[in-house]
Amino acid sequence: AQSVTQLGSHVSVSEGALVLLRCNYSSSVPPYLFWYVQYPNQGLQLLLKYTTGATLVKGINGFEAEFKKSETSFHLTKPSAHMSDAAEYFCAVSAQNNAGNMLTFGGGTRLMVKP
Amino acid sequence: DAGITQSPRHKVTETGTPVTLRCHQTENHRYMYWYRQDPGHGLRLIHYSYGVKDTDKGEVSDGYSVSRSKTEDFLLTLESATSSQTSVYFCAIRTGTGTYEQYFGPGTRLTVT
Repeated sequence: AQSVTQLGSHVSVSEGALVLLRCNYSSSVPPYLFWYVQYPNQGLQLLLKYTTGATLVKGINGFEAEFKKSETSFHLTKPSAHMSDAAEYFCAVSAQNNAGNMLTFGGGTRLMVKP
Repeated sequence: DAGITQSPRHKVTETGTPVTLRCHQTENHRYMYWYRQDPGHGLRLIHYSYGVKDTDKGEVSDGYSVSRSKTEDFLLTLESATSSQTSVYFCAIRTGTGTYEQYFGPGTRLTVT
C-alpha cells in the first residue's frame, strides 16, 4: 500500500518569495514520485517526476523537487514565486512493482501568491 | 497535449438516473484511467484499463462500471447516480513502457441533484 501526505492545504507567499510545498509518502517498495499542477477549471499538468537516478529533479516553470529516501519526502520548491504560479499542486506516488501503474495522490495544496 | 478529450464537459442529472462519461484518446495508448476529484481528497482512482476489454477496479469503484471496446474509448458509467457521486471526473492515459507518468484530460463536472 502507498499513501501521500501534503502538509498544508493552503500556502500563501509573496511574489518573489521562495515557494516550498511539502510532500511525504509511504511506500513499501521504491517509489516513483510526481508533482502535478492544476489551474482553475483545467486538468492536471505534469510539473516533474522522479523515477530513478538523480534525486534532484527539475521541472517546468522553474520548479524543482528533491527525493529524500531517508525522510520519505519529495518537497517542491521554486526560488521566486510569480503571480502565475497560483494554482493547486498535487504530489503523487506510484510503486515500482505496481502492475497497473496506479497513482496515489495527496490531498493537494493550493498556492496563493500575493503581490 | 496528450490528445485526450472528455464528454460531456458538464452534466447535471437527477438521483437514480444512469450516466455515461466518455474518454477519447487519439494516440493508441494501452493504459487508461478514471479518477474522481473531491476537495481535500486529491484524485482517487475509480477504474483503469490495460487494454481492450481489460479493466480493473481502483480505490473507489463502488457504484461505477467501465467498458473499453476500442483502444481509443474508455467509458465510465454510473448505473444509478447518487448525490455522493457529484464530483469532477478526470480521465488519464499512460504513454507507454518505461514512462510512468499519466496525462490527464480536461475533466467532466457532474452534478447529481
